[in-house]
Amino acid sequence: AQKVTQAQTEISVVEKEDVTLDCVYETRDTTYYLFWYKQPPSGELVFLIRRNSFDEQNEISGRYSWNFQKSTSSFNFTITASQVVDSAVYFCALRVVNSGYALNFGKGTSLLVTP
Amino acid sequence: DADVTQTPRNRITKTGKRIMLECSQTKGHDRMYWYRQDPGLGLRLIYYSFDVKDINKGEISDGYSVSRQAQAKFSLSLESAIPNQTALYFCATSDGVSYNEQFFGPGTRLTVL
Repeated sequence: AQKVTQAQTEISVVEKEDVTLDCVYETRDTTYYLFWYKQPPSGELVFLIRRNSFDEQNEISGRYSWNFQKSTSSFNFTITASQVVDSAVYFCALRVVNSGYALNFGKGTSLLVTP
Repeated sequence: DADVTQTPRNRITKTGKRIMLECSQTKGHDRMYWYRQDPGLGLRLIYYSFDVKDINKGEISDGYSVSRQAQAKFSLSLESAIPNQTALYFCATSDGVSYNEQFFGPGTRLTVL
């Protein structure tokens, strides 16, 4: 079975704090793909990052970083020095090969960054 | 212009009415998807299509039907809308490369009274 768990439903931080959003996935496939999307209050879905199962290198993009660990089936997302504009719902997703490469989404983590 | 467009953006309808949500894309992608988003549940797959002749049910297809009129167009229909179909609906596209991301439309907010 393919499953993505985002255990944190809501997180509230004060601006400039660091925050980590957890993502745990389940799959029997040896080849799979993981994604993070951001949904700001305006509602659109914004692609942030993708990672395949053969590439465990962590990635940093500005204030954003991602930690992929196959040993714990996790693909966590950290925002350093959070800003109010980071307030959004963040979704982790797993690509499901047997469903036309559709995405299997977690339930999302709502992040609120206050001044 | 947006690569993936959805019409209408908002719709309020009554129980029992037939509703069609439309999606168009200019990305030239073969694969198109319809998802539904409910608060606290993330996005769930309704239908997906590899091309005009290939349509497949997703996780929650009951109560919905789709039509792939052309490579660029993929419509979602609710034959007889019911209140628990009130949700935010997203169309998405992708190419045939498994590694690449999906591109999402802006969403259609549907309310069934």
